[in-house]
Amino acid sequence: GENVEQHPSTLSVQEGDSAVIKCTYSDSASNYFPWYKQELGKGPQLIIDIRSNVGEKKDQRIAVTLNKTAKHFSLHITETQPEDSAVYFCAAPILTGGGNKLTFGTGTQLKVEL
Amino acid sequence: DGGITQSPKYLFRKEGQNVTLSCEQNLNHDAMYWYRQDPGQGLRLIYYSQIVNDFQKGDIAEGYSVSREKKESFPLTVTSAQKNPTAFYLCASSRAGGPGYEQYFGPGTRLTVT
Repeated sequence: GENVEQHPSTLSVQEGDSAVIKCTYSDSASNYFPWYKQELGKGPQLIIDIRSNVGEKKDQRIAVTLNKTAKHFSLHITETQPEDSAVYFCAAPILTGGGNKLTFGTGTQLKVEL
Repeated sequence: DGGITQSPKYLFRKEGQNVTLSCEQNLNHDAMYWYRQDPGQGLRLIYYSQIVNDFQKGDIAEGYSVSREKKESFPLTVTSAQKNPTAFYLCASSRAGGPGYEQYFGPGTRLTVT
């Protein structure tokens, strides 16, 4: 099955700096890579996703890059703000057994300091 | 407002008791999921349902049971056979059961068993 590794587990940046979170996956057939943001005490919320037919996708201050050859994808947040502080999870699909199953990374606690 | 509701937000039970967590969605989604979240770990899939009256085990189904009698509802029962039931439980839904559809999460239920 799919195995997703996520680094770093914690990340502290100054407001206005950039933050980068990296994930690797094992199944070369994987074709959909979502990123979720989870604020304290709440459920995760999708912030951006990328499919395997593109190498990069941007949405305002957030971007995701995908390297299919190396089997890794990254989340980039520019001009970080205090409200970006949260836990971020990457995920990749589990293609065996049917369905829309995802396997998640272990999460990155991002702290944006003033 | 369309969305996913989980109740209650906090739940306390004594060891040896079964407990049922509620999950309701009004998004008209076919697929629903239950995840467990423990500190420092990603989300782990307990059960999922691609359509009414059908469900499959996820990675950690032992000690849990579900039903899917209505499209809107996917309750999870944590049985006394679950060895370590204290955790944060998240319900999610997606438009279809195939790969690549966004999963929308509820606010979660924190279960404490003593």
